[in-house]
Amino acid sequence: VQMVESGGGVVQPEGSLRLSCAASGFNFGIFGIHWVRQAPGKGLEWVAVIWDDGSQDYYSDSVKGRFTISRDNSKNTVYLQMNNLRPEDTALYYCARPSPRHHYVRGAFHIWGQGTMVTVSS
Amino acid sequence: DIQMTQSPSSLSASVGDRVTITCQASQDISNNLNWYQQKPGRAPNLLLFDASNLHPGVPSRFSGSGSGTHFTFTISSLQPEDVATYYCQHYDNVPPKFTFGPGTKVEI
Repeated sequence: VQMVESGGGVVQPEGSLRLSCAASGFNFGIFGIHWVRQAPGKGLEWVAVIWDDGSQDYYSDSVKGRFTISRDNSKNTVYLQMNNLRPEDTALYYCARPSPRHHYVRGAFHIWGQGTMVTVSS
Repeated sequence: DIQMTQSPSSLSASVGDRVTITCQASQDISNNLNWYQQKPGRAPNLLLFDASNLHPGVPSRFSGSGSGTHFTFTISSLQPEDVATYYCQHYDNVPPKFTFGPGTKVEI
């Protein structure tokens, strides 16, 4: 069971970036998937969630209207499209899968990737 | 919005000590609270869900209690491998929203 993020990099303010999260080793299509970020030396911040079938998605207030989460269940992959990036979006971005012991979509985050770093700077 | 606070922000204890961390919510959150451990340079690790339920595979020296606005996380006998930052996390179901506490750094 693993999740692997990719797509991070350095981008200028107001720029865009698309992150990917590739999952393997479990039945991807029955789980909601979350994005969580961590600014350098700071705490954890939940970013977004997408439902198992992609029918619903929710965002933190800090990214609403700028970020879009999506998924392709045929590729076991979740995406995070980030537009109009700001310096305060600089962070390590993790994707995370809930624990089925809790809830398949809204449950506590059990499986995490290693993260992909996004740096927003001119 | 519900705010989560943790205390202390950091602590230093000895191997074998009992360590307690508190997490406070700005309003009643029932038992909608999870606890995570994050070691330096690593992704977080789920320890407890719904305030007191130990996730499978997590050592029994970790425990949690509380409901409403006040929650407690305890390490009954601190081990060297427990050096980490510990986060509480509240979850709302309608609409889904997840709020982490600021974290407590535990050192030996």
